Amino acid sequence: GQNIDQPTEMTATEGAIVQINCTYQTSGFNGLFWYQQHAGEAPTFLSYNVLDGLEEKGRFSSFLSRSKGYSYLLLKELQMKDSASYLCAVRGKAGSYQLTFGKGTKLSVIP
Amino acid sequence: NAGVTQTPKFQVLKTGQSMTLQCAQDMNHEYMSWYRQDPGMGLRLIHYSVGAGITDQGEVPNGYNVSRSTTEDFPLRLLSAAPSQTSVYFCASSYSISRTPIVRDEQFFGPGTRLTVL
Repeated sequence: GQNIDQPTEMTATEGAIVQINCTYQTSGFNGLFWYQQHAGEAPTFLSYNVLDGLEEKGRFSSFLSRSKGYSYLLLKELQMKDSASYLCAVRGKAGSYQLTFGKGTKLSVIP
Repeated sequence: NAGVTQTPKFQVLKTGQSMTLQCAQDMNHEYMSWYRQDPGMGLRLIHYSVGAGITDQGEVPNGYNVSRSTTEDFPLRLLSAAPSQTSVYFCASSYSISRTPIVRDEQFFGPGTRLTVL
């Protein structure tokens, strides 16, 4: 089966750094995705990890440890517009495009 | 490119009614999927398709049918609506699955259909 855990809610201050964790237990692993979803809108792609290590893209970075079944999304220099839900999703099987999503972490950025 | 489009944006149904949620993409993506999103439950896969004429069930397929007669369109049919199907429905698509190895190929989501069943 597939099990993906992430915190339900987090609050952080504008200009700060926040780390959103995701742990997974899946029958197979072929990549981990992070999506951002603003309230009332569709999810949009943020990052992708398939090998261990850190992927950096501007203010956003994502880390993966396959041996620990663990990933995190790091957001630097937080802005008010970063207030959104962040969804962790795992592609479990090689050759498959099916994603299993976590329940999402709602991040509130406060002044 | 319009990307992934969904219609309608909002819909209210009575219990027992049937309807079709439309999804279309103009990116020539082979993989398309339908998700529902409920508070506290995250996105759950209903049905998916890896190409025209090929569909399969996801995690929560009961009460829904799909077909894929063309690469562009992937409609979702509710056969007899129930209050438990009140949800936000997202359609998504990904690049061709014929490329190997599979690389980043993220899913692109449509804007969603907000469905209420009374």
